[in-house]
Amino acid sequence: QSALTQPASVSGSPGQSITISCTGTSSDVGGYNYVSWYQQHPGKAPKLMIYEVSNRPSGVPDRFSGSKSGNTASLTISGLQAEDEADYYCSSYTSSSPYVFGTGTKVTVL
Amino acid sequence: QVQLVQSGAEVKKPGASVKVSCKASGYTFTSYDINWVRQATGQGLEWMGWMNPNSGNTGYAQKFQGRVTMTRNTSISTAYMELSSLRSEDTAVYYCAIVVVPAAMISGMDVWGQGTTVTVSS
Repeated sequence: QSALTQPASVSGSPGQSITISCTGTSSDVGGYNYVSWYQQHPGKAPKLMIYEVSNRPSGVPDRFSGSKSGNTASLTISGLQAEDEADYYCSSYTSSSPYVFGTGTKVTVL
Repeated sequence: QVQLVQSGAEVKKPGASVKVSCKASGYTFTSYDINWVRQATGQGLEWMGWMNPNSGNTGYAQKFQGRVTMTRNTSISTAYMELSSLRSEDTAVYYCAIVVVPAAMISGMDVWGQGTTVTVSS
């Protein structure tokens, strides 16, 4: 099972909005509504930010939102803040495995 | 609160095995499947497999089939991940993680252990 494809890096200024894409196939992202997104700060464990494409766990700011179109899922961060600078990973259920992760995206706040 | 606490760092020689533990607290241990995820230094996340703590049933990623074994001791609410025939490429941080709030085991892992660093070096 190949990793889902994400851009290596995305940057934005404080207050701006950024979108991270996550591209898979009809056997994973496109075939199921089980896409999740994780935030990871250096030296820390990943933190779940979005599950089942667009649901936010309790405590996650509503600046974070998720969506999906076809084989591509997206994470949007609105009103970018300094503490949003981190690595972000998408994940999806697949026809052959409960989880496959994306390649990861480094978000830089300028 | 729901918490997963993992064992400490390990240093192993190539060809050896390592066994990482994950102690659960704050919930009924048999309620949630336990996943194992690893991350090599500077690399992305990689899902290794899952175990149902109630039945002991497991499912492993194809890449690790034959090399990984996931077990549990329900009396002490602890899950284990053993990886054998270690090679340098197995040097990574290993995490255990569970799905608590989302409805399905495949929805997204919302509680993670702190990670265990495994270094494979001669």
